[in-house]
Amino acid sequence: TQLLEQSPQFLSIQEGENLTVYCNSSSVFSSLQWYRQEPGEGPVLLVTVVTGGEVKKLKRLTFQFGDARKDSSLHITAAQTGDTGLYLCAGPTSGSARQLTFGSGTQLTVLP
Amino acid sequence: DAGVTQSPTHLIKTRGQHVTLRCSPISGHKSVSWYQQVLGQGPQFIFQYYEKEERGRGNFPDRFSARQFPNYSSELNVNALLLGDSALYLCASRITQGTGYPYEQYFGPGTRLTVT
Repeated sequence: TQLLEQSPQFLSIQEGENLTVYCNSSSVFSSLQWYRQEPGEGPVLLVTVVTGGEVKKLKRLTFQFGDARKDSSLHITAAQTGDTGLYLCAGPTSGSARQLTFGSGTQLTVLP
Repeated sequence: DAGVTQSPTHLIKTRGQHVTLRCSPISGHKSVSWYQQVLGQGPQFIFQYYEKEERGRGNFPDRFSARQFPNYSSELNVNALLLGDSALYLCASRITQGTGYPYEQYFGPGTRLTVT
């Protein structure tokens, strides 16, 4: 069974600080996606990483896919209150690219 | 353009009852997937439908069933509700069933089901 473990589970920081959240697995994933979910809404796709070692930047967010394609990280620079939300990583379930396996998420709170 | 829509927004049911949740995909999207998100956890895959046929099923009991209509909208049905079925039920749509990569799926806001 493929599992994605995210850490930390909860993170509370002040506006302007930097942070990194992690997504780890003992299994190899062909790709990983990061989503942000706000209360009362469904997850919104932020990025997809496909190649081992890949780094993608989305404004103040930097996403990295591990060389072995078993882990990924999300780094936020100069966090803003609008970054508050649940950050989820997800990857195609082994044997079925139609399904996604999600991690349990990191709940980020950015305080003003 | 309208995104994925789901109804109802919230629902309260009693143990043993039956519930039907509805989803309308983005116009032009032919694939609909259903996920269950229990509080404090990530979404878990329940079903995927494409062109009105079931194309994937997660590890959920037979009390859960779904169907897709000719207009690509979908219903998720849950029979004999248990307290543990309380969750946010998410619908996601994609243009194709897409076994290849990359692909994107778009989630609706979900239906919050509470079983008492």
